[in-house]
Amino acid sequence: AQKITQTQPGMFVQEKEAVTLDCTYDTSDPSYGLFWYKQPSSGEMIFLIYQGSYDQQNATEGRYSLNFQKARKSANLVISASQLGDSAMYFCAMREGGIYGGSQGNLIFGKGTKLSVKP
Amino acid sequence: DTGVSQNPRHKITKRGQNVTFRCDPISEHNRLYWYRQTLGQGPEFLTYFQNEAQLEKSRLLSDRFSAERPKGSFSTLEIQRTEQGDSAMYLCASSHEGELYEQYFGPGTRLTVT
Repeated sequence: AQKITQTQPGMFVQEKEAVTLDCTYDTSDPSYGLFWYKQPSSGEMIFLIYQGSYDQQNATEGRYSLNFQKARKSANLVISASQLGDSAMYFCAMREGGIYGGSQGNLIFGKGTKLSVKP
Repeated sequence: DTGVSQNPRHKITKRGQNVTFRCDPISEHNRLYWYRQTLGQGPEFLTYFQNEAQLEKSRLLSDRFSAERPKGSFSTLEIQRTEQGDSAMYLCASSHEGELYEQYFGPGTRLTVT
């Protein structure tokens, strides 16, 4: 069965430093998508970055990059130059069934990592 | 494009009462999802609509839960005879069938059952 594992319940990082949030996944589908979402205390899930299983290069979006290691089934999020506003919960998620979402395209989420940025 | 909206944002109800939540997706998004998030957990999939058709339901969606999406626009999620275990954040998300990547989430409805 498909599964997302985030082993870091909480992380601290100094402002302006880089931080890596870990994510491993398990699926038997050769076609899948991996996502990272940010959830501030307000509760809304904010999309950060996407990586498709057939993408050759690691995804990047501004200060966010995804370190995709397919053989190890890992999809770590790297945040460069951390800012105080980055303090939030971060969720890794997976969607099986191709870039168009396959049958229904629902996301499977991990338990999240709480990131705290220290000034 | 005003984003996904959900109402109410907070709901406190007594055990045994019925509650109904509303989700307004981004206009022209034909896919709509409901998720439930309990404290300390990631969101869990509940159900999915493509236009007005409910195509998938999670086993988490007991018989006390019902969801509708009349005319393929807004959606409602009703919980009958609420239990304390129903206390959670209920998140709605929408996407276009042609959208490659992300689902757009609403702010959620936080339900507290006393």
